[in-house]
Amino acid sequence: AAGVIQSPRHLIKEKRETATLKCYPIPRHDTVYWYQQGPGQDPQFLISFYEKMQSDKGSIPDRFSAQQFSDYHSELNMSSLELGDSALYFCASSTDSTGELFFGEGSRLTVL
Amino acid sequence: AQKITQTQPGMFVQEKEAVTLDCTYDTSDPSYGLFWYKQPSSGEMIFLIYQGSYDQQNATEGRYSLNFQKARKSANLVISASQLGDSAMYFCAMREGPPSNTGKLIFGQGTTLQVKP
Repeated sequence: AAGVIQSPRHLIKEKRETATLKCYPIPRHDTVYWYQQGPGQDPQFLISFYEKMQSDKGSIPDRFSAQQFSDYHSELNMSSLELGDSALYFCASSTDSTGELFFGEGSRLTVL
Repeated sequence: AQKITQTQPGMFVQEKEAVTLDCTYDTSDPSYGLFWYKQPSSGEMIFLIYQGSYDQQNATEGRYSLNFQKARKSANLVISASQLGDSAMYFCAMREGPPSNTGKLIFGQGTTLQVKP
């Protein structure tokens, strides 16, 4: 079965650079979520989109922005990167009919 | 207050035995969903099992079952016949509101399970 696809899987950036992460949800899933997981931490919710509109917002820094496109894929844009942004970034998708929520394999960002 | 509490930072289990990972939750919303995820050392977050607050039966998925005790607000994960590949971090999570609520999942702090041969 198709899963949530994230790219790139690994990314290395310098401080103050920008990074873009992409997420392709499971087909027919209409909701996309972004989570950030620091080392040894539980995942922290950043932002979610339902039918291309932002549906909820968590602890997402102002330096970060995200959107969902007409084909339901989503992108997380991160600017002015800081060392503390080094983390595993997960995208997840769901459909409101079942309640189940599936994660992608994550994108590991390292800021040097 | 913690919405999701996993009181066991680490657990050991012998291969082929059953193990229970504890999870308690706190919500005043009558509709909610409870999730368990497995995160191996490679980092991916693998969906294991889901229980809706109105589901009458405890959820089961292969060797995984969720012991849902609504009055006690607990949603323990039971893994039967443990395998070496079950060694991983396990997260309990909750969605407040019905499935149509596209809000966030709230995670517990996780339990590290190690299966001994």
